Amino acid sequence: KNEVEQSPQNLTAQEGEFITINCSYSVGISALHWLQQHPGGGIVSLFMLSSGKKKHGRLIATINIQEKHSSLHITASHPRDSAVYICAVLGAWTIQGAQKLVFGQGTRLTINP
Amino acid sequence: DAGVIQSPRHEVTEMGQEVTLRCKPISGHDYLFWYRQTMMRGLELLIYFNNNVPIDDSGMPEDRFSAKMPNASFSTLKIQPSEPRDSAVYFCASTYEHGWGQSPEAFFGQGTRLTVV
Repeated sequence: KNEVEQSPQNLTAQEGEFITINCSYSVGISALHWLQQHPGGGIVSLFMLSSGKKKHGRLIATINIQEKHSSLHITASHPRDSAVYICAVLGAWTIQGAQKLVFGQGTRLTINP
Repeated sequence: DAGVIQSPRHEVTEMGQEVTLRCKPISGHDYLFWYRQTMMRGLELLIYFNNNVPIDDSGMPEDRFSAKMPNASFSTLKIQPSEPRDSAVYFCASTYEHGWGQSPEAFFGQGTRLTVV
């Protein structure tokens, strides 16, 4: 079982629909990131969360530390939101003073006009 | 700032050859990360540096891989000898302040697509 699991792996929706992408993890973490990878390959950092909820425009990210679960929501989805969305968790500090970063496999989102 | 700059964008090499990937982080960023992305394994962290010092290299697949950061504005990832299974897109990213976990801004380069034949 992977330490970080995303669902769904693929999601196709119509423009305007409300989108939810889920991320569950099995390790203790200090923070969780949501990344967006565009079709051209570039990667953008969307959110860093350690608790609660954050909102940027039409994007909302939530995290429940007790349940080890995070969701990324997109309201009023648009074709330009089509991308791969990746969840990454930053693990607790190790004795060596390092933090392990573990990625989910990504969710491929396609929004049709 | 021009962002994180990686070179080359594409590299095709023969098995057994040495490959060097380059990264210039954003000026002022004190963390630099090297990632590898493949269809099978997704995105993986290989190694990261803080203030030019390697902090965690446990993601480096084997001794054929090495990374250096001789100064704050330049890092290399070297594969010697290269193998076909090393074919992937290699990303470099940089961030600032207290590092990845405490900054919402992480900037990625465009990646280097490596093909080993």
